[in-house]
Amino acid sequence: QLVLTQSPSASASLGASVKLTCTLSSGHSIYAIAWHQQQPEKGPRYLMKVHSDGTHDKGDDIPDRFSGSISGADRYLTISSLQSGDEGDYYCQTWGSGIPVVFGGGTKLTVL
Amino acid sequence: QVQLQESGPGLVKPSETLSLTCTVSGASVSSSTYYWSWIRQPPGKGLEWIGYIYASGSTNYNPSLKSRVTISVDTPKNQFSLNLNSVTAADSAVYYCARDYGNPWGQGTLVTVSS
Repeated sequence: QLVLTQSPSASASLGASVKLTCTLSSGHSIYAIAWHQQQPEKGPRYLMKVHSDGTHDKGDDIPDRFSGSISGADRYLTISSLQSGDEGDYYCQTWGSGIPVVFGGGTKLTVL
Repeated sequence: QVQLQESGPGLVKPSETLSLTCTVSGASVSSSTYYWSWIRQPPGKGLEWIGYIYASGSTNYNPSLKSRVTISVDTPKNQFSLNLNSVTAADSAVYYCARDYGNPWGQGTLVTVSS
């Protein structure tokens, strides 16, 4: 069964960098994922798709401070030069042909 | 620029059918390149995928909702729709439509199930 695991929370200081992790379940390490940001009281916003080769396709107007990478079954979202507006929930999502779409439980990011 | 906008009743009675429409601009729902998705988020909780549809009419639904969900596409109106029947309070949520895996999302619409 395809499952995505995210840490419930993360924190980092203003101006610093943070790396959020999304882990694919065993046997699914080749899957691409998407990262979405949800600021407080707002709807989700597409950030990027991270391919199984580590390349990523960002959404429109997503700053260069946001980048994606992979290592094995782990998919990462790195945010550099953290701003207060980066606070919120970050969700990863994956999909496959004919199988259910899956969301991770989300990581709540606090900017200190 | 692709934009999606959900519309429909904000209040639905228990046991009735929840019906929402997503109007797409800047892209065509008849394109074979993309699929068109519905996702929901109960208050204070995470995202739950409901299902998606291709322009061909081929669908894929969340197994936990499959018996109650129908997604359809209306190519002349450039819209796609969600029907969820036999609703209960547990179906109260913000409902989002999206292209593919969320690129982009609609702004969402709150649906409350209550008598």
